[in-house]
Amino acid sequence: GENVEQHPSTLSVQEGDSAVIKCTYSDSASNYFPWYKQELGKRPQLIIDIRSNVGEKKDQRIAVTLNKTAKHFSLHITETQPEDSAVYFCAASLTGYSTLTFGKGTMLLVSP
Amino acid sequence: KAGVTQTPRYLIKTRGQQVTLSCSPISGHRSVSWYQQTPGQGLQFLFEYFSETQRNKGNFPGRFSGRQFSNSRSEMNVSTLELGDSALYLCASSATGETQYFGPGTRLLVL
Repeated sequence: GENVEQHPSTLSVQEGDSAVIKCTYSDSASNYFPWYKQELGKRPQLIIDIRSNVGEKKDQRIAVTLNKTAKHFSLHITETQPEDSAVYFCAASLTGYSTLTFGKGTMLLVSP
Repeated sequence: KAGVTQTPRYLIKTRGQQVTLSCSPISGHRSVSWYQQTPGQGLQFLFEYFSETQRNKGNFPGRFSGRQFSNSRSEMNVSTLELGDSALYLCASSATGETQYFGPGTRLLVL
């Protein structure tokens, strides 16, 4: 089955810095890669996703890149703000199958 | 549209008991997936239901089961509870079987 590795497990940055979280996946058939943000005590919220026919996608301060050959994808957050502090999860799945395999999560702490 | 809802939000049970959790998906969504979230194992897929049929199943023992009703609402049941079943149980609904939206979860504590 699919296996997703996520690094780092914790990431501390200063407000205004950029943050990068990286994930690798094992199943070359996976073609859908969402990212979720989970604040303490709250539900995971989808923040951005990418499909394997796209190499990069941006949404304001958030971007995701995908390298299918290397089987890795990354989340980039620019101009970080304290409200970006949360746990971020990457995931992988095959289109049409609601079976998300998650990474272990990255706790991002943005200090003012 | 209203988001995904789950009931109850919190539960305390003792070992050996059983529990039933409920999930109401976003209106029009026919796929409901269930996940277990623990500090040690993270988010793990339990099973997915689509149009009242279990379409996918994760690697959990048979004590974990579920069903889906004709209105797409779903329930999951855990029988013979163990201490290790203490977790946050999340359901997620999807219209396409791809993009999933999570509910607030049910926090289960087994004593």
